[in-house]
Amino acid sequence: TQLLEQSPQFLSIQEGENLTVYCNSSSVFSSLQWYRQEPGEGPVLLVTVVTGGEVKKLKRLTFQFGDARKDSSLHITAAQPGDTGLYLCAGFIIQGAQKLVFGQGTRLTINP
Amino acid sequence: EPEVTQTPSHQVTQMGQEVILRCVPISNHLYFYWYRQILGQKVEFLVSFYNNEISEKSEIFDDQFSVERPDGSNFTLKIRSTKLEDSAMYFCASRQGSGTQYFGPGTRLTVL
Repeated sequence: TQLLEQSPQFLSIQEGENLTVYCNSSSVFSSLQWYRQEPGEGPVLLVTVVTGGEVKKLKRLTFQFGDARKDSSLHITAAQPGDTGLYLCAGFIIQGAQKLVFGQGTRLTINP
Repeated sequence: EPEVTQTPSHQVTQMGQEVILRCVPISNHLYFYWYRQILGQKVEFLVSFYNNEISEKSEIFDDQFSVERPDGSNFTLKIRSTKLEDSAMYFCASRQGSGTQYFGPGTRLTVL
């Protein structure tokens, strides 16, 4: 059973296009994090969202936490080849939980 | 910027051998974690450690696994008798209080 399901799993688009990656669950998360992972390296934190409905922006990246705290999205505006990578969502199911639950990732390729 | 470090970056071992993976968490962090990622699969929680004891572990973390904080800086994961299916990237993570876990670059373990 996938607690956190990401879609799409693979996405290949042209430079300059916009894209959205989704992270969905039937469970409520106390907080949710987005990471980016390069091949052979560990996940690097991009953002943490905590409050339902919260929106955070990181340059051309916009992260949103769903009102019910069961889903999240990552929107990239005017994608660039440097955005290419594996994007992971991960969250804590309950407050104070130790175990971070990961989605399976979205592999994004931005073609010049 | 402080970061989690891990050694070695690559470890090749024969099936049945013991391995110790080492991590140096961020210095003022109190909570420590091990995760693994089998090639092509999602990141999976193994164990969390706080106040010199395991606070949570997954079903993957069986009797063949152990963790230790032998001094004030290192955090180790030992696999007593490695199996082929233990081949994976192993990530250490740490956090200060609530919320964000910061990941190390990982150790790639190959069991032959």
